[in-house]
Amino acid sequence: ETGVTQSPTHLIKTRGQQVTLRCSSQSGHNTVSWYQQALGQGPQFIFQYYREEENGRGNFPPRFSGLQFPNYSSELNVNALELDDSALYLCASSLANPLAGQNGDTQYFGPGTRLTVL
Amino acid sequence: LAKTTQPISMDSYEGQEVNITCSHNNIATNDYITWYQQFPSQGPRFIIQGYKTKVTNEVASLFIPADRKSSTLSLPRVSLSDTAVYYCLVGDQYSGAGSYQLTFGKGTKLSVIP
Repeated sequence: ETGVTQSPTHLIKTRGQQVTLRCSSQSGHNTVSWYQQALGQGPQFIFQYYREEENGRGNFPPRFSGLQFPNYSSELNVNALELDDSALYLCASSLANPLAGQNGDTQYFGPGTRLTVL
Repeated sequence: LAKTTQPISMDSYEGQEVNITCSHNNIATNDYITWYQQFPSQGPRFIIQGYKTKVTNEVASLFIPADRKSSTLSLPRVSLSDTAVYYCLVGDQYSGAGSYQLTFGKGTKLSVIP
């Protein structure tokens, strides 16, 4: 158990709809990252939030957006859903330490939300 | 970002030692090497991280040769519960704030056979 929770566990939507996925970070963590994992592929980075501001974005269109709240929980919003958005959506929390330099910190992943778009 | 190459799949019998090698020929001087494990329908789990030589923890060992162009994850005496996908990550983006942006490949699917 990583202490990172996500809701809902499963979700079915139709093309064109909007969806909001939620993530509760591990206590004390200040950074949350979202990843999309298609079947048979590795997770792909969507974006990251650090202290409530977006801090880096992968190759995803603007209809993917997010929020991080003062308690460091987070939301991923996807508008105008497309069939290819069907995937496992993962959030990962970590305690960023810029003073650690190049020594990568450990990210703790939640169990994911399985989104199916019909 | 350094590109990584791993075998797509591996099979092993229970009780054997498993070594998964990852090549990263264009690793940068400051890059660390990190391995994650992922079970079906779960998020990836950090296993081990290293920069050079050998790192060992309660789960695995990581061997990194002097040129750092490859690394080997070693799992001692695997059991059925070690069946999972193992990802090798190198040189993740860091903007100076927040955390690293992890770049995953397709990983190595390890199947442990009774």
